[in-house]
Amino acid sequence: DIVMTQSPDSLAVPLGERAIINCKSSQSVFYSSNDKDYLAWYQQKPGQPPKLLIYWASTRESGVPDRFTGSGSGTDFTLTINYLQPEDVAVYYCHQYYSFPFTFGPGTTVDIK
Amino acid sequence: QVQLQESGPGLVKPFQTLSLTCTVSGGSISSDDSYWNWIRQAPGRGLEWIGYISNSGKTYYNPSLESRLSISLLTSENKFSLNLKYVTVTDTAVYYCARGAHNTSPYNPLNPWGQGTLVTVSS
Repeated sequence: DIVMTQSPDSLAVPLGERAIINCKSSQSVFYSSNDKDYLAWYQQKPGQPPKLLIYWASTRESGVPDRFTGSGSGTDFTLTINYLQPEDVAVYYCHQYYSFPFTFGPGTTVDIK
Repeated sequence: QVQLQESGPGLVKPFQTLSLTCTVSGGSISSDDSYWNWIRQAPGRGLEWIGYISNSGKTYYNPSLESRLSISLLTSENKFSLNLKYVTVTDTAVYYCARGAHNTSPYNPLNPWGQGTLVTVSS
């Protein structure tokens, strides 16, 4: 299984500032034949299901604010939340869909400082 | 716009079978190259992918659960189901169903998700 790790476990950022979440996979999730990284990011708020934010490592899902940016390739990925808003308080998970079984990172909790 | 909704008993006794159904609305479960997944989240814990079934009935299960797991299509009702045998307290979780985001292959992110249903295993 591909093991996903995230850092930090949690962070608190002032409103309007930037939050940076890191995700690392135990093996590459880059598929050279189509030049894509099979990596997604989800946002989960209490009592709600995860919501897809980013896929193919950097493609924003329709309707997701452009302050959410995904980057990275291979085994190292980053989710950046610019201009943090109160509604961004949530747990964020990375997810590899490169190979089965699909696996998720342990989550990073983002809060307002 | 496709929506999913899980349903089933909220309480299951140890060593019995956990049975859940996911009802799909706003789209057909038989759509070509569509993939229908189950995921669970133990209380206060992270996400665990359980398995998928394709529109053609092909399945793939998480090896950690494979010996106890069965996922089926209920095509005429536009639903799919999960059966997990011999449950223990460690199977207590919120169970979600979700669709593979793009009808191309099983290797896709998951979107949309159902709201989830809490299943507690307890005597």
